[in-house]
Amino acid sequence: GESVGLHLPTLSVQEGDNSIINCAYSNSASDYFIWYKQESGKGPQFIIDIRSNMDKRQGQRVTVLLNKTVKHLSLQIAATQPGDSAVYFCAENFPMNRDDKIIFGKGTRLHILP
Amino acid sequence: DTGVSQDPRHKITKRGQNVTFRCDPISEHNRLYWYRQTLGQGPEFLTYFQNEAQLEKSRLLSDRFSAERPKGSFSTLEIQRTEQGDSAMYLCASSLEARLAGSTDTQYFGPGTRLTVL
Repeated sequence: GESVGLHLPTLSVQEGDNSIINCAYSNSASDYFIWYKQESGKGPQFIIDIRSNMDKRQGQRVTVLLNKTVKHLSLQIAATQPGDSAVYFCAENFPMNRDDKIIFGKGTRLHILP
Repeated sequence: DTGVSQDPRHKITKRGQNVTFRCDPISEHNRLYWYRQTLGQGPEFLTYFQNEAQLEKSRLLSDRFSAERPKGSFSTLEIQRTEQGDSAMYLCASSLEARLAGSTDTQYFGPGTRLTVL
């Protein structure tokens, strides 16, 4: 069965506001998590990653938070822009996976409203 | 452009025909992955190469599917006797093996090949 999932299939945010996309994972042994952004007709684009020994990591306008207690991952996007409209996937890797095969969730579609 | 490239970007074929897709990874990457993605779903792992060796195949990869990476650089994915259920986006990703303890190899994806089987 699928071990990574998302709470909401779609999320609409006003341009300039902050957005939070959530992800739940079920495998407590997962040690590496990645967020990908996928625009229509394109392949997934790496945004940010985090290892299980961290609980927060920041990039440019993006922050990933990891709560291992409740097996929850979130992606925060600050000051959203029209170009942020896309589907966002969380993905996990756990040690039982050979060779860093990552498992994707179903995705959340983010709409940035003008 | 030094990213992962895939060819063709779109393929329309009739049921029963064979199709072949090509992936060119990022040049220094030794790992190459194939995924399949259907509408509204995340990518699903199909198979994986380290250099020229195919190290893992998903149970999703039926015997009609075959992948090669003969020289450890580009890879091809062939689907024989295509079925309508094969219609999907086929994604390729590459990564550089993480050799330092605590490091990870991030997978970078190509634009995909969208297959439509009529």
